[in-house]
Amino acid sequence: GAGVSQSPSNKVTEKGKDVELRCDPISGHTALYWYRQSLGQGLEFLIYFQGNSAPDKSGLPSDRFSAERTGGSVSTLTIQRTQQEDSAVYLCASSLGGTANYGYTFGSGTRLTVV
Amino acid sequence: QKEVEQNSGPLSVPEGAIASLNCTYSDRGSQSFFWYRQYSGKSPELIMSIYSNGDKEDGRFTAQLNKASQYVSLLIRDSQPSDSATYLCAVPGANNLFFGTGTRLTVIP
Repeated sequence: GAGVSQSPSNKVTEKGKDVELRCDPISGHTALYWYRQSLGQGLEFLIYFQGNSAPDKSGLPSDRFSAERTGGSVSTLTIQRTQQEDSAVYLCASSLGGTANYGYTFGSGTRLTVV
Repeated sequence: QKEVEQNSGPLSVPEGAIASLNCTYSDRGSQSFFWYRQYSGKSPELIMSIYSNGDKEDGRFTAQLNKASQYVSLLIRDSQPSDSATYLCAVPGANNLFFGTGTRLTVIP
């Protein structure tokens, strides 16, 4: 597609429920990233996918968070047993290659509210 | 360990003035640097990248890089109210960009 597409744009869920957030990167972009941004805070790196390589999961805050990328394209971020502190905007980004040479293009984000 | 430091602001400038935004970074080996603009309620948008010491100009925007002093700055000439946003500096890590917390800029008409 023309840009990075994320869905849903907004999600309200009850504490303890599982949620899935979806990201469809720009066609041809091999690298995909998930970040989250809490209200008034900076961007927190979560996970990175590059082609068929093993993902860099070093930013995932707990084992309740997981992500997968199918066929080198669409990615799903799953949060199990959501907590109120998980409330944030979850941003997906993609790039042509390594971050040394390319900036990211971000999607419009998913605003997650855990009540 | 913070990779990127920015003054959080807010920074207010009158319309038509030059806005100067600064960023310092800790990794002396960093080779590329990025400036993102984030409007309230929106996602970050890449506006400038710079790889070499010196200045890079794009329209009203100029990025300045000084590797010896480990800082990168963004100048916005003839500031407009539409430039009011948070500006994020980013530096590559091994697998991802590290972002500063951003500087909020307000351009006063």
